[in-house]
Amino acid sequence: AQSVTQLDSQVPVFEEAPVELRCNYSSSVSVYLFWYVQYPNQGLQLLLKYLSGSTLVESINGFEAEFNKSQTSFHLRKPSVHISDTAEYFCAVSENLRYQKVTFGIGTKLQVIP
Amino acid sequence: NAGVTQTPKFQVLKTGQSMTLQCAQDMNHEYMSWYRQDPGMGLRLIHYSVGAGITDQGEVPNGYNVSRSTTEDFPLRLLSAAPSQTSVYFCASREPRDRGTEAFFGQGTRLTVV
Repeated sequence: AQSVTQLDSQVPVFEEAPVELRCNYSSSVSVYLFWYVQYPNQGLQLLLKYLSGSTLVESINGFEAEFNKSQTSFHLRKPSVHISDTAEYFCAVSENLRYQKVTFGIGTKLQVIP
Repeated sequence: NAGVTQTPKFQVLKTGQSMTLQCAQDMNHEYMSWYRQDPGMGLRLIHYSVGAGITDQGEVPNGYNVSRSTTEDFPLRLLSAAPSQTSVYFCASREPRDRGTEAFFGQGTRLTVV
């Protein structure tokens, strides 16, 4: 069975500072990895995903995540955060099967401090 | 193209009452699922469906029923509400033909059972 561990429940960071949100996963087969973002009182939106190929994936708003197979990690990073990045971020994993279930981590609340 | 639509957005129930949370998608997605989101626990899968007439249990199915008579609709029924079912419920859909495709989420239903 697959599982996801997000190591930090809350991460406060000052505006324009860098941030890293950590995610580790476990699975017995090859996986797809996702980061979703949830703004207050909204549903989840896909931020970025890793399917195959380059281990570094980027989003349109400056976030990036690197798939590290040996460490079974998929940490999310941004070199300079903005107030508008304040949200909850969920790491998710699904196994490489047709009707794969998606398993979510417990979420990390990113609070950007002005 | 409305995506995934959930109704109602808010609901208060008394213990023992029944209700149905509605979910509809207009993207012709085969795969639909229901999650509940609770503080510190992330999203947990309740039930899912891989197509019309096919449903299966997720991680926390007790107290919930589902059916899938059409591709578009996937209602979630609470037969006898309990305070432990107070939560935010999200419906999601995905097209699994292309592996690793993202899930599209509704805006959520905030349910309080008193």
